[in-house]
Amino acid sequence: GAVVSQHPSWVICKSGTSVKIECRSLDFQATTMFWYRQFPKQSLMLMATSNEGSKATYEQGVEKDKFLINHASLTLSTLTVTSAHPEDSSFYICSASSGRRELNEQFFGPGTRLTVL
Amino acid sequence: GQNIDQPTEMTATEGAIVQINCTYQTSGFNGLFWYQQHAGEAPTFLSYNVLDGLEEKGRFSSFLSRSKGYSYLLLKELQMKDSASYLCAVREYKLSFGAGTTVTVRA
Repeated sequence: GAVVSQHPSWVICKSGTSVKIECRSLDFQATTMFWYRQFPKQSLMLMATSNEGSKATYEQGVEKDKFLINHASLTLSTLTVTSAHPEDSSFYICSASSGRRELNEQFFGPGTRLTVL
Repeated sequence: GQNIDQPTEMTATEGAIVQINCTYQTSGFNGLFWYQQHAGEAPTFLSYNVLDGLEEKGRFSSFLSRSKGYSYLLLKELQMKDSASYLCAVREYKLSFGAGTTVTVRA
């Protein structure tokens, strides 16, 4: 159980375009979803936390108007990178939590590699 | 904020034991996690410690000392497939990750 999928797994786009990444919890209801970004040889950095039906909470330094997060249902959250630029090229990973205080309450998706030309 | 430190790289031979240390300074503490991450893939859960002591799970063990802000991940009987990055993560109200330790297993 506890499978999280992401789509697409990789995407290449031109500078200035917008890219949408989907994160789905396949076999459980995710009350909270997290979006991380990871640059090469660096650790995961939390970008934002989203709870179903409410606005996302962004970490300091993350532009909420650039990284739009929608958590419209208990199984789906989307991250839209608007007007993408080469510096946005990164590995984006989502994770989902059912909200239960279990020892491993965050389940990670397989990640999306974004390359902006 | 959080300060989570772990070595950048470690190399060991197949069949050996490797210990990856992690020290942390956080304003709160609600558990410490170890994850394994292969290149280009998402992290996978290895272990969780919230109380002091050793948690053993097959070839992998994790230790925690809350008073010292210290944990280690012990990998025994190393296999080639264990070559990966190992991430130490501390949970306050959110998970904060260390930079990861790249372990290379040589034949």
